[in-house]
Amino acid sequence: DVKVTQSSRYLVKRTGEKVFLECVQDMDHENMFWYRQDPGLGLRLIYFSYDVKMKEKGDIPEGYSVSREKKERFSLILESASTNQTSMYLCASKQDRAPNEKLFFGSGTQLSVL
Amino acid sequence: TQLLEQSPQFLSIQEGENLTVYCNSSSVFSSLQWYRQEPGEGPVLLVTVVTGGEVKKLKRLTFQFGDARKDSSLHITAAQPGDTGLYLCAGVEAYGQNFVFGPGTRLSVLP
Repeated sequence: DVKVTQSSRYLVKRTGEKVFLECVQDMDHENMFWYRQDPGLGLRLIYFSYDVKMKEKGDIPEGYSVSREKKERFSLILESASTNQTSMYLCASKQDRAPNEKLFFGSGTQLSVL
Repeated sequence: TQLLEQSPQFLSIQEGENLTVYCNSSSVFSSLQWYRQEPGEGPVLLVTVVTGGEVKKLKRLTFQFGDARKDSSLHITAAQPGDTGLYLCAGVEAYGQNFVFGPGTRLSVLP
């Protein structure tokens, strides 16, 4: 089975800490995405990457950065965590740029910033 | 920024009932996808609709894409507890890299 794996299911951090969220896909997909999911707001795109070392800002990139050093791994970095970054973070991948290709999601990381 | 609205936001029904949830936008999308998300899991694709007016069936689920490709509906016949979850619609923009997600409809089917 194809798989998108997120390193942590639950994470609790303190305000000001640097936080790394890791995502690995085993499908050789070119495109990878980071979303955050908040009740009533749906999924909002933070960053995406369509190739190794390439990244594009999504709708809400402020306070976040990303790294894609290898095709299978896409990392989300919170440089200095704040309480308003408490959220469910979902990583996803997609095979190519075709518009009807589906997103494969990981199980999510519930991050709490205290 | 394109927006998708979903209604109702919450729905609690008894097993065996029928239901319809809606996904609406003022924008045109190249296609629209429906995902279901169960607690503790990521969303999983149910269907993609591409052509205006298109109807797709997946067992007891019927999906329709509006003629103008701005809205969609999901109808479930004889709902079962296994249908419980968060139903998300996602509009796909023309170049296929940006998915606009609605806030979701949280469905609870009681036995």
